[in-house]
Amino acid sequence: SAVISQKPSRDICQRGTSLTIQCQVDSQVTMMFWYRQQPGQSLTLIATANQGSEATYESGFVIDKFPISRPNLTFSTLTVSNMSPEDSSIYLCSVRDTSYEQYFGPGTRLTVT
Amino acid sequence: QKEVEQDPGPLSVPEGAIVSLNCTYSNSAFQYFMWYRQYSRKGPELLMYTYSSGNKEDGRFTAQVDKSSKYISLFIRDSQPSDSATYLCAMSVSASKIIFGSGTRLSIRP
Repeated sequence: SAVISQKPSRDICQRGTSLTIQCQVDSQVTMMFWYRQQPGQSLTLIATANQGSEATYESGFVIDKFPISRPNLTFSTLTVSNMSPEDSSIYLCSVRDTSYEQYFGPGTRLTVT
Repeated sequence: QKEVEQDPGPLSVPEGAIVSLNCTYSNSAFQYFMWYRQYSRKGPELLMYTYSSGNKEDGRFTAQVDKSSKYISLFIRDSQPSDSATYLCAMSVSASKIIFGSGTRLSIRP
């Protein structure tokens, strides 16, 4: 299974600012994803990070608010832009390998004040 | 109706009991079925992964898929306090978007 690390593990940010979350995988993976998890709730897919091209966003999520980069097969970033308290959540990086098994990083706990 | 329904619990059982966690789904095209375990303040950890119908066993854990009833289960034998976590079922049609259940909070009492 892939080993995934995320930075930062947690942050407290002010309204109107932006935060970039990094995701690093220990091996090359086909697919990388970004999820959001509200406290006590399930996982909501934000977007699929595509290597060398624009990310594919799910309904309700837009590139201006959540720009994503994926420069290679082991690294991706998610930026949460112009934050509001409603963006307070856990953000999770996830990867899928060729066996279709999907793994998650430890998450980034974001609080917006 | 949600695509995947999961009882949120919480479910509390004594140590050593057999635990049964369940999900129902509405999309008959689902082919891949997964169970994740999530400890507090951690990311979800893949526990079991099955393709199509049938049973799969891994130590104390057994995953069961009944496609005719659109019903999947995770059984935990000889439950331990360390099994206390939230369990999420998940499923997908192909190598595409995975749909997650809302998770069941499980507590094993020593």
